Amino acid sequence: DTAVSQTPKYLVTQMGNDKSIKCEQNLGHDTMYWYKQDSKKFLKIMFSYNNKELIINETVPNRFSPKSPDKAHLNLHINSLELGDSAVYFCASSQEGASDNEQFFGPGTRLTVL
Amino acid sequence: ILNVEQSPQSLHVQEGDSTNFTCSFPSSNFYALHWYRWETAKSPEALFVMTLNGDEKKKGRISATLNTKEGYSYLYIKGSQPEDSATYLCAFHNDYKLSFGAGTTVTVRA
Repeated sequence: DTAVSQTPKYLVTQMGNDKSIKCEQNLGHDTMYWYKQDSKKFLKIMFSYNNKELIINETVPNRFSPKSPDKAHLNLHINSLELGDSAVYFCASSQEGASDNEQFFGPGTRLTVL
Repeated sequence: ILNVEQSPQSLHVQEGDSTNFTCSFPSSNFYALHWYRWETAKSPEALFVMTLNGDEKKKGRISATLNTKEGYSYLYIKGSQPEDSATYLCAFHNDYKLSFGAGTTVTVRA
């Protein structure tokens, strides 16, 4: 049974389109995250939600909007896609956002903007 | 932006040999240091979460040490096996978020 799942795994789309990536965790965790793996392979935090409330919002363009309908889901919606949005996006979750709680990662979604 | 650096960027090790590599991080406002193992085409998996200065953790042939005063952690792999080939990420936990290093990619040659 997959702990953190993301859909789709691959997403190819045209510039200017709007797309969503879904994330679900069945671990009963309170906190969920979105990371972007940049061109240098760094994992960079984008957003964090705790019990459906936003607690971290790094310097991410307004075109990116996370939505958490319940604490098991954190979806990422991206408006007006740009070439520079092409990357692998990882969802993760942890039991609360405490520093000593390990994070569990999803398989990633490879977004390609043409 | 927190500076988390890992070195070397990559290394090759012969099967059966031991190896180690480092992660350096800011020594102020320390909360926790995480190590993750990331195999190709998979997602990162937690190895260790370390919070105390001088802490040493072990999982099978892999162990890690932590020095929070000087801001570094070592990861050791004893008797490397081909299945140890992966990228090992460290991450510094501060202000409710993890800041990741670029990773050390380990390739074990049979």
